[in-house]
Amino acid sequence: AQKITQTQPGMFVQEKEAVTLDCTYDTSDPSYGLFWYKQPSSGEMIFLIYQGSYDQQNATEGRYSLNFQKARKSANLVISASQLGDSAMYFCAMRDMNTGFQKLVFGTGTRLLVSP
Amino acid sequence: KAGVTQTPRYLIKTRGQQVTLSCSPISGHRSVSWYQQTPGQGLQFLFEYFSETQRNKGNFPGRFSGRQFSNSRSEMNVSTLELGDSALYLCASSKDTSGANVLTFGAGSRLTVL
Repeated sequence: AQKITQTQPGMFVQEKEAVTLDCTYDTSDPSYGLFWYKQPSSGEMIFLIYQGSYDQQNATEGRYSLNFQKARKSANLVISASQLGDSAMYFCAMRDMNTGFQKLVFGTGTRLLVSP
Repeated sequence: KAGVTQTPRYLIKTRGQQVTLSCSPISGHRSVSWYQQTPGQGLQFLFEYFSETQRNKGNFPGRFSGRQFSNSRSEMNVSTLELGDSALYLCASSKDTSGANVLTFGAGSRLTVL
């Protein structure tokens, strides 16, 4: 069974600094995808970044990058130059790529607070 | 283009009642998934539909059901509501069944059971 672990319930960062949100995963499937979503207080889940298990390079999307260490089964999200609007819950999720199902398994999330 | 639309956004029910939640996916998206989010259990997968067929189901009692229509719109129903059903119900859509698809979520329907 797939499992996502996010060990940081909360993180604080000052505006304009970088922050790393941790995510480790467990799966026996060789083909999987890893996703990060942001959930502001409004409730909507916003997609940030995706990494496939066979991707050779770490994914980047603007200020977001994914530090993918396959041997360690970790997929940490790095947010550079934090902004006040980055304050939200952040969820790491994974999907088995072999089933054809869209189901995502989510971690418990990390609440990020960005201070001025 | 329009995102995923969920209605109603907020609703209050009493124990024993039933509720129906609606989800309109992004135009052209044929796969719809539902998740339940609670403070205690986090985000849990309910079910997934593609072309009007339920393809996958999470570990929820039979009181939770859903369906998908020919226009890809989906509904979920919870019968005989319990206090523990109070949650944010999130719907997500994707284009097809590709494993690399990104799920686009709606704003959710927040259900309170009294």
